Amino acid sequence: GEDVEQSLFLSVREGDSSVINCTYTDSSSTYLYWYKQEPGAGLQLLTYIFSNMDMKQDQRLTVLLNKKDKHLSLRIADTQTGDSAIYFCAEKRGRNNDMRFGAGTRLTVKP
Amino acid sequence: DTGVSQNPRHKITKRGQNVTFRCDPISEHNRLYWYRQTLGQGPEFLTYFQNEAQLEKSRLLSDRFSAERPKGSFSTLEIQRTEQGDSAMYLCASSLGPNSYEQYFGPGTRLTVT
Repeated sequence: GEDVEQSLFLSVREGDSSVINCTYTDSSSTYLYWYKQEPGAGLQLLTYIFSNMDMKQDQRLTVLLNKKDKHLSLRIADTQTGDSAIYFCAEKRGRNNDMRFGAGTRLTVKP
Repeated sequence: DTGVSQNPRHKITKRGQNVTFRCDPISEHNRLYWYRQTLGQGPEFLTYFQNEAQLEKSRLLSDRFSAERPKGSFSTLEIQRTEQGDSAMYLCASSLGPNSYEQYFGPGTRLTVT
């Protein structure tokens, strides 16, 4: 399809790991991103991965990229209540300069 | 705070009126982007500038929309003859330059057209 797709909701307990999944559209996408949006706020860049990598780790965040399946995931270890937000997956396609975003996954962390 | 700033944060206007939003990017960033975000959706690309030049426009940017970046610093987005369908969050982002892959977003301007 033409859309970046994400599941809409995820609920986890505090201290558990969260895994947010995304499928993107363009095999020529050069960079893939995860952004976090809290209520009433803009988007905060969390992490990104270049398309020639298959994993990137940054503190509690682990990004996995399966280029063959055009599948991207974000794992948050030891999820905290402050991680509750909407998480957007985005791709920067080939020679274009725009980014295409998914609809976002709302992560709820229960105490 | 040296992040991207946008003004106003909220704007309520009547259908048919014109509105203008402003974005101040991070000071050394050459690229500036405008996105629109409707409820329950991710941002959609509208247009971007490299310095003062507008290099790309989305098909979402109808003739009623115009964006400028006259001195290559701040940018304005004007919507003429607003329609209810224009109600959305308008987000601005900036990046360092052509080889930069990190876009930093401002807090957005929420437009409500009544």
